[in-house]
Amino acid sequence: ETGVTQSPTHLIKTRGQQVTLRCSSQSGHNTVSWYQQALGQGPQFIFQYYREEENGRGNFPPRFSGLQFPNYSSELNVNALELDDSALYLCASSRDGLLAHTDTQYFGPGTRLTVL
Amino acid sequence: GENVEQHPSTLSVQEGDSAVIKCTYSDSASNYFPWYKQELGKRPQLIIDIRSNVGEKKDQRIAVTLNKTAKHFSLHITETQPEDSAVYFCAASGVGTSYDKVIFGPGTSLSVIP
Repeated sequence: ETGVTQSPTHLIKTRGQQVTLRCSSQSGHNTVSWYQQALGQGPQFIFQYYREEENGRGNFPPRFSGLQFPNYSSELNVNALELDDSALYLCASSRDGLLAHTDTQYFGPGTRLTVL
Repeated sequence: GENVEQHPSTLSVQEGDSAVIKCTYSDSASNYFPWYKQELGKRPQLIIDIRSNVGEKKDQRIAVTLNKTAKHFSLHITETQPEDSAVYFCAASGVGTSYDKVIFGPGTSLSVIP
């Protein structure tokens, strides 16, 4: 198992609500990426944070936002939830987003979000 | 945009046989290609990766080959066992940017029949 943890494990929300998901990176890792994995699909890149700043973003609307804290833990916030936001949300940590483009990412167990 | 294709989408093999999964990528600047195994309800786990400065890498029963000219790479699992049953994802890193954007393929569901 990796040292990456996520909370909560499961979450149920209704349309229009807001949600915050949390990720704790593996020790020594200063970069975290967030992915959305819909059922039966591969993970889709949402964004990456490196040393508390957004370092790249995929094709997701602005209502998906994030934070990274000085201890390199991270949050994913989603506003105005839609039914299609139902998915497994995965975070992955790596050592250095800027100096190691090809560094290995280690995934957390994910948060299963259901939007009703 | 960047894209990773993966085939087949499902694969069923007899225990002890070999399994091969193939992927192609679109971004010629990509130079890191990890493979992840995801069991039902669990996180993706890295099983092997390859960088563009080598053409082949092997780790026990698992091997990956890379053809940069053709922009495709493959996963080979030999002597398959029932515990190899899972969904396998190939991926390519979005090199050319400053961040570790990893583009995943759609996955291959592998079933190993005892």
